[in-house]
Amino acid sequence: KAGVTQTPRYLIKTRGQQVTLSCSPISGHRSVSWYQQTPGQGLQFLFEYFSETQRNKGNFPGRFSGRQFSNSRSEMNVSTLELGDSALYLCASSRTLGGDYGYTFGSGTRLTVV
Amino acid sequence: GESVGLHLPTLSVQEGDNSIINCAYSNSASDYFIWYKQESGKGPQFIIDIRSNMDKRQGQRVTVLLNKTVKHLSLQIAATQPGDSAVYFCAENSPSGGGADGLTFGKGTHLIIQP
Repeated sequence: KAGVTQTPRYLIKTRGQQVTLSCSPISGHRSVSWYQQTPGQGLQFLFEYFSETQRNKGNFPGRFSGRQFSNSRSEMNVSTLELGDSALYLCASSRTLGGDYGYTFGSGTRLTVV
Repeated sequence: GESVGLHLPTLSVQEGDNSIINCAYSNSASDYFIWYKQESGKGPQFIIDIRSNMDKRQGQRVTVLLNKTVKHLSLQIAATQPGDSAVYFCAENSPSGGGADGLTFGKGTHLIIQP
């Protein structure tokens, strides 16, 4: 079966702009989580969506937001981009809220802010 | 939440040898642990998981050991192959508030395979 699909793979944006990233989970998976990966901070949890509702949120500013659609696809938005937002953004899907059976990750979107 | 840490940033082993990657966690409430492998340019790939009611779990060439007394997790890879070269992360999942706060990842160990 198809894995977790993230688009686009690469993105270059200018400071102050906003960006939207997309994630299509594995068919049947209803939970979508987002993570930020940087060399300095490693992998950090952003938020988790389940049944179109944000269920959990990590310690990130309000500039980071997301949403989930009825088909479980999810988008993540970052407004007023800062240089420090340059990172690999990873989406992970799971059958259940909280990932009782594990999370499957996509290949990520590499965001560069200049 | 509390963080999960790894003991070594880099581990170099000879091809064919066994590899052991260690992880220390600090949240005693964590009840589910996962090892991921991340190759360059890719997302983390699930290797093996273990729940807190188990001490050991085996997969194909991999074994995960959990010691809840000292809050220690390890990943053993048998007969290491060149394709095992990657960064390995341990992650913990702790129940809280009826949901979850996402996975807490360690910093990662870069496994290098020497020919």
